[in-house]
Amino acid sequence: EVQLVESGGGLVQPGRSLKLSCAASGFTFSNYYMAWVRQAPKKGLEWVATISTSGSRTYYPDSVKGRFTISRDNAKSSLYLQMNSLKSEDTATYYCATTTRDSFAYWGQGTLVTVSS
Amino acid sequence: DIQMTQSPASLSASLGETVSIECLASEGISNDLAWYQQKSGKSPQLLIYAASRLQDGVPSRFSGSGSGTRYSLKISGMQPEDEADYFCQQSYKYPWTFGGGTKLELK
Repeated sequence: EVQLVESGGGLVQPGRSLKLSCAASGFTFSNYYMAWVRQAPKKGLEWVATISTSGSRTYYPDSVKGRFTISRDNAKSSLYLQMNSLKSEDTATYYCATTTRDSFAYWGQGTLVTVSS
Repeated sequence: DIQMTQSPASLSASLGETVSIECLASEGISNDLAWYQQKSGKSPQLLIYAASRLQDGVPSRFSGSGSGTRYSLKISGMQPEDEADYFCQQSYKYPWTFGGGTKLELK
């Protein structure tokens, strides 16, 4: 059974940094592109980042480019999201997900990040 | 960026009723369209990918169709467990974008 477990969320002040982690199990992690998707409270979904199987290719929307960095450790079956210069509009539940060429097949339970002074 | 416009924003359906949700892309997306279901307090779950392919384990009452810029999700026979939010998502171009969502309630 595919399991994705996020951690690292919490309350952080604007301008500070936070690093999220996602522990994967139940599948061959190194064979899958991985992604982060976020959902602001009572709002819709927003794609945040995607990383290739080896980690050599990464993709971001303009809203986080230059501030967020996605990475992975295939030996540990783990995915990460380093978030710098956080803003109030980054407040959301962050999900890690497996991704194919066209969709997000499996999702974690999410970790809440609140950016507030 | 490709804008995805979903309609309606909310609807209610009776048990056994057939329901349709529409998604309009701001440009052609060549069937690179997925649908997700999100129940209250839970993570989204993939229902349909490539516009019409059913994800493993998803009941056959769910179906997807469309082409070009217009796509739809159909639920043939509303069940209590189908009460949820539904989102479409395009993967034709980065940034991948989602529709605003449709809240489906049981009447």
